Amino acid sequence: GAVVSQHPSRVICKSGTSVKIECRSLDFQATTMFWYRQFPKQSLMLMATSNEGSKATYEQGVEKDKFLINHASLTLSTLTVTSAHPEDSSFYICSARKIAGTAYQETQYFGPGTRLLVL
Amino acid sequence: AQSVAQPEDQVNVAEGNPLTVKCTYSVSGNPYLFWYVQYPNRGLQFLLKYITGDNLVKGSYGFEAEFNKSQTSFHLKKPSALVSDSALYFCAVRDDGATNKLIFGTGTLLAVQP
Repeated sequence: GAVVSQHPSRVICKSGTSVKIECRSLDFQATTMFWYRQFPKQSLMLMATSNEGSKATYEQGVEKDKFLINHASLTLSTLTVTSAHPEDSSFYICSARKIAGTAYQETQYFGPGTRLLVL
Repeated sequence: AQSVAQPEDQVNVAEGNPLTVKCTYSVSGNPYLFWYVQYPNRGLQFLLKYITGDNLVKGSYGFEAEFNKSQTSFHLKKPSALVSDSALYFCAVRDDGATNKLIFGTGTLLAVQP
């Protein structure tokens, strides 16, 4: 199997506080994880690529100082939304890349998502 | 640059009828194509992928997809739709850049009526 978990599933916070979201690959190791953001009735927007042991690669327009990513181990990546504001309210989804055999035999498996509401 | 297009925002089908969710792609090299399904307030679930080999790919929950190189399409199909198949479906292509990230289509909402 390939299971990816996220915690918390839902969080409500006050404006100006920081929120940490965890993404774990439960039954496989992932040197690469991805963080997405999804607005209602829209597709997924890739925010950044999280690389174990090195700095994350951010997509254009994503503030790296606001969305801190740490890939501390082969099974854990965290996304911290710093000084959150209401416009950061969204559905955040992570995925982990599982490689079987060659690099071309890879598949991304997604977590269940985290609903963030900033008041 | 790699891209996929899902021309239909929504597909309606009666339970028991065959369903097709369309996807076309544009790639500069070999296409690596994926289908994912998303249920309300949930993450994406992997359905199937095409890397190489047979053009007809079988996946989870009875879904299959047909890779058609001449039409640059990768339509998702199921012979007999279930009400529980109602969800949001995303087609994706793997980017050929350094990160091999997935590039998603805009999604197609499948509504299966009982």
